[in-house]
Amino acid sequence: DTAVSQTPKYLVTQMGNDKSIKCEQNLGHDTMYWYKQDSKKFLKIMFSYNNKELIINETVPNRFSPKSPDKAHLNLHINSLELGDSAVYFCASSQEGGLPYEQYFGPGTRLTVT
Amino acid sequence: GQQVMQIPQYQHVQEGEDFTTYCNSSTTLSNIQWYKQRPGGHPVFLIQLVKSGEVKKQKRLTFQFGEAKKNSSLHITATQTTDVGTYFCAGHWGYQKVTFGTGTKLQVIP
Repeated sequence: DTAVSQTPKYLVTQMGNDKSIKCEQNLGHDTMYWYKQDSKKFLKIMFSYNNKELIINETVPNRFSPKSPDKAHLNLHINSLELGDSAVYFCASSQEGGLPYEQYFGPGTRLTVT
Repeated sequence: GQQVMQIPQYQHVQEGEDFTTYCNSSTTLSNIQWYKQRPGGHPVFLIQLVKSGEVKKQKRLTFQFGEAKKNSSLHITATQTTDVGTYFCAGHWGYQKVTFGTGTKLQVIP
């Protein structure tokens, strides 16, 4: 059973398009995250959701919007795609508690904007 | 803002040699985690350090958290080809605040 899954695995699209990436976790975790990993392999946190409430919103363009229909899902919607959005996007989840718990990452979605 | 730097950025070692990556934060951390990402894969959790000066071992891997809780290290003894990948530290510095380090890419030459 896949703990954290993402779809699609690859996404090739043109500038100006709108696209979504889906993420689901079956671990019963309370917190989910979205990360962007660029060509230099830097991992930047974009968003996290806890019990359907946005609790971290890094300085990402407002073209990016996370949507959580329920605790097990956190989707990423991107409007007006730009060349610089090309990257690998990882979804992750973790338990909620006094101390940070380990994060479980999905397999990633490689987005290519042409 | 919060920055977490890792050195070296790249490291090539002969199989059997030791390897160390260092992680330095611009601010005091509440705790630090380490992750490994194999080529083409996703980050996988290795360990978490919480206490000042804490040292933990996992087989050939030794993790340390600095006394000031601003730096950490990962040491691998007698590297193997299975150790290939990028190692990230992740510094936690507040409620749900996490910054990943810049990563160290390890290449092991058989």
